[in-house]
This record gives sequence, structure tokens and C-alpha cells, in this order.
Amino acid sequence: AQTVTQSQPEMSVQEAETVTLSCTYDTSESDYYLFWYKQPPSRQMILVIRQEAYKQQNATENRFSVNFQKAAKSFSLKISDSQLGDAAMYFCAYRGNTGTASKLTFGTGTRLQVTL
Amino acid sequence: NAGVTQTPKFRVLKTGQSMTLLCAQDMNHEYMYWYRQDPGMGLRLIHYSVGEGTTAKGEVPDGYNVSRLKKQNFLLGLESAAPSQTSVYFCASSWGSPNTEAFFGQGTRLTVV
Repeated sequence: AQTVTQSQPEMSVQEAETVTLSCTYDTSESDYYLFWYKQPPSRQMILVIRQEAYKQQNATENRFSVNFQKAAKSFSLKISDSQLGDAAMYFCAYRGNTGTASKLTFGTGTRLQVTL
Repeated sequence: NAGVTQTPKFRVLKTGQSMTLLCAQDMNHEYMYWYRQDPGMGLRLIHYSVGEGTTAKGEVPDGYNVSRLKKQNFLLGLESAAPSQTSVYFCASSWGSPNTEAFFGQGTRLTVV
């Protein structure tokens, strides 16, 4: 079974600075997809960024980018120019490409605080 | 579009009571999921469905049952609630392609006393 590990329960960053959230995963599949979701205090789950394992180029969405290291099974999220609105829980998620169902497996989350 | 709607948003149950959580999506998605979120444990998959009339167990299925009689609805049932089922429950739906985004409901906070 696939597992997703987020080893940083909490992180803090000053406004306008850069922060990196870590995520590692374990899988025997060669083709899969990785996601970062944001959960603000409203509880709504919001997709931040996605990465296809077959793509070598790291995904980027405005201030959010990933460092995808397939051999190391690592998928970190970098937030540049942090804003107060970035304060939230961040979940890393894995989705395989085989079998009859495409399940999303989540890590335990990292709570990000943004300070002035 | 409403997206994914969960009913109810909050509920308090006594131990042993039963209840059903309703999830409705209007995006014609094939896949639907029920997760529970507990502090320090992330989101854990309870049950899921890959299409109308089909359901399957996830990581933590014990104490829950599900049904998907219509494509747009996915019901989660607790037959005899226990305090260990106190949690926030999320429903999600997606297309069958694995690279597609899963859309989540706003969550249901359930307390079992």
C-alpha cells in the first residue's frame, strides 16, 4: 500500500519570506500523481499544485512550486513571498494510476503559520 | 454549480444512535469518496465508489456503511455510533482519470457523546 509522510507537523515563516514543506511517499508504481492541498480555517480543501510522475519538470503555480525527486520519492512544496493568507494546513497526497480505483492517499499534514 | 455538498454540517449523536451523512455532487463525476479527518492523522479513506451501484472499502471502513444508488449521491451510514467516530467527515468526488483534481465538500463535524 502506498504511504505518504509529512514529517513537519508545524512550520512558521515570516511574511514575504520563502518556506519549504516536506513530503515523502512510498510506492512500487512507476506512474502516479502527486498533489498538495491547502486547508484554511474554513475547512475547505483547495488544490494548490499537482505533479505527474512521468514529467521531469517541476510544476509551478504562481508563488507555489514543487521539488519532485522521483528516485528519492520526495515531493516538497516551496511557497515564495509568503502571505498571511497562506496560513493553513497543507496536505501532500498521492494518487496511483493502476487498479480499478484512483484513490487519494494523504499525509498527516503540516500546519503553516505566517507571521508579520 | 454547487460542486460537492454535504448534509448536515454539524451533528451531535449519543452512543448507539444511527445516522446517515449525505454527499451530493453536480459535476457528473464517476468517483466519490468518504474521508475522516482527525488531529495529527490527516485524511483517512473510509469507503469509496467508482460508479453508480459500486462501493469499496478504504483504510478505516469498520463501523461504517455506504451506498451509491444514484451517480450524484454517496451516503455514509453509522449504524451504532461510538465516541471513536467523533471526527470531521469529508466527501470528495473526481473524474476517473488519476491526474484530475478531487473536489471536496465543506465537511461534517460529528460528535458522539
